[in-house]
Amino acid sequence: DGGITQSPKYLFRKEGQNVTLSCEQNLNHDAMYWYRQDPGQGLRLIYYSQIVNDFQKGDIAEGYSVSREKKESFPLTVTSAQKNPTAFYLCASSMQWANVLTFGAGSRLTVL
Amino acid sequence: RKEVEQDPGPFNVPEGATVAFNCTYSNSASQSFFWYRQDCRKEPKLLMSVYSSGNEDGRFTAQLNRASQYISLLIRDSKLSDSATYLCVVNTGGGNKLTFGTGTQLKVEL
Repeated sequence: DGGITQSPKYLFRKEGQNVTLSCEQNLNHDAMYWYRQDPGQGLRLIYYSQIVNDFQKGDIAEGYSVSREKKESFPLTVTSAQKNPTAFYLCASSMQWANVLTFGAGSRLTVL
Repeated sequence: RKEVEQDPGPFNVPEGATVAFNCTYSNSASQSFFWYRQDCRKEPKLLMSVYSSGNEDGRFTAQLNRASQYISLLIRDSKLSDSATYLCVVNTGGGNKLTFGTGTQLKVEL
């Protein structure tokens, strides 16, 4: 079955550490996105990529980095510069830019 | 004014009731509209796209009112399994970006 796989599902990090969240899709979608969700807030766009080897900052990119070396993969690194990284991170993809999104199951990051 | 606004709820309704949610958007150039459903601690899943003429999928009906800049979701004959948070998503034109509302929580009770 086609879909998006995110890993790990749960991650605990000490302050000052970088962590990388994996996102892999086999839907053959060109566009991929990373969102962050905090309690009581809507999903906020961190980074997006419309095509391989290209990506753009979203609304809250500070403290995050991404790469898009393969169509299927769009990993997100949460760096130590991100001041409040504890959140639910969702990766998504779409066939057309800014159209119907398919989400992965999410990665829940907790900073200890 | 927020780009996309929803009443957070919760809406507590008895099983079998009809319930409706609205979602207002600020950018009149918005072109695409969607409703997603999100269960607790899970990922959002597409419930339905919203078309200009309105559309229906079983017990769910979505409407678009461009003049007043809102979309609505009507759920008939509510089931316990409909309990979830319903997210409104708008393609806010301009930068061709999807903006999410904060969601409306629905609780269907016996």
